[in-house]
Amino acid sequence: SQQGEEDPQALSIQEGENATMNCSYKTSINNLQWYRQNSGRGLVHLILIRSNEREKHSGRLRVTLDTSKKSSSLLITASRAADTASYFCATGNMDTGRRALTFGSGTRLQVQP
Amino acid sequence: GAGVSQSPSNKVTEKGKDVELRCDPISGHTALYWYRQRLGQGLEFLIYFQGNSAPDKSGLPSDRFSAERTGESVSTLTIQRTQQEDSAVYLCASSLVQGDSYGYTFGSGTRLTVV
Repeated sequence: SQQGEEDPQALSIQEGENATMNCSYKTSINNLQWYRQNSGRGLVHLILIRSNEREKHSGRLRVTLDTSKKSSSLLITASRAADTASYFCATGNMDTGRRALTFGSGTRLQVQP
Repeated sequence: GAGVSQSPSNKVTEKGKDVELRCDPISGHTALYWYRQRLGQGLEFLIYFQGNSAPDKSGLPSDRFSAERTGESVSTLTIQRTQQEDSAVYLCASSLVQGDSYGYTFGSGTRLTVV
């Protein structure tokens, strides 16, 4: 199974509502990152949270990290139609030493106007 | 340049032909990564380069795949004797240094279709 797995696989909400996506991983990590992808092309880096941090904010984004449960959540508040995209979590792997990020399969978010 | 540039944007090739994909990273970024993304799926790691160190090729799916990078500049990903299962978007990314401590900047990808 994958290092990073997002849940749910798909999420549909109305504009103005909050969207919460979860990510679980299996190994020891230095950091966890979240990315957004529009239309199946390049990914955009959203936020990085370090393993010694529990919560981080950036604009309408709030990320939490629980290293004891090996899980993270991404909350988008007051969602907009423009937030419609796929969201991926990504981590390195301290256990194997591979430093390149491993990505999950993503959550597809649809925000209805 | 201002961003990561990949070319071509789209490539349609016949089964059995070789293809070469190009990536121009952000100037000054020492690390460069290649990923593959099949339709509706996540990113599959292929290879990464860090400066003049030996690349990590552990993600390359077969010996038909190879990649090169000269110094800290352009990289090319070559797929020989393409197969239909090679159809995917090939994404390149660069970062300031190797690893997971910095965000990656991705190019827009090359959509490869093998017919």
